[in-house]
Amino acid sequence: GDSVTQTEGQVALSEEDFLTIHCNYSASGYPALFWYVQYPGEGPQFLFRASRDKEKGSSRGFEATYDKGTTSFHLRKASVQESDSAVYYCALGERGSNAKLTFGKGTKLSVKS
Amino acid sequence: EAAVTQSPRSKVAVTGGKVTLSCHQTNNHDYMYWYRQDTGHGLRLIHYSYVADSTEKGDIPDGYKASRPSQENFSLILELASLSQTAVYFCASSDQNSGNTLYFGEGSRLIVV
Repeated sequence: GDSVTQTEGQVALSEEDFLTIHCNYSASGYPALFWYVQYPGEGPQFLFRASRDKEKGSSRGFEATYDKGTTSFHLRKASVQESDSAVYYCALGERGSNAKLTFGKGTKLSVKS
Repeated sequence: EAAVTQSPRSKVAVTGGKVTLSCHQTNNHDYMYWYRQDTGHGLRLIHYSYVADSTEKGDIPDGYKASRPSQENFSLILELASLSQTAVYFCASSDQNSGNTLYFGEGSRLIVV
């Protein structure tokens, strides 16, 4: 079945550092790919999505590019802030409807000032 | 005003007891979902529903039932709660008009003792 792998379980950075969280997927065709963010005590919230090869999604300074060749959708941010501390989830949508999402295990980002 | 509300937000249940988690959405979305969150596992889909009076099994349905009596309401039922069902449960809604972006509730923390 479809699956999503996030390499890093935890990432610790200082403010203004560059962030990369790796996400690789396994699925046939062109599933939609998503990033969600979860702040402490809250439910996950949509960050952005991409649906086609080479499409870039972005929001709040975060971005990721859909790469069919490497089956990846890595999350990047040029300069993180303490307020970016959260858990980040990569997800892929069910082919055909995108109604069901399969999530990765999440990456906890901690940013110190 | 939260569009997806869950109740209870926190509950302690006895092993073998019955637990019902409720979810109400005001997004007018057709699709609703129940996800389970555990450290090290991320978000896993338990049950979902595309329309009232119909439910579908997700990836980890064993030990859970679901009920969708109306478009707005979706319940998760644990008939015989077990220790392994201690987790945080999230309800979400989506529809095709929103690109199937999931909108999550704030979660229900369940502890089974």
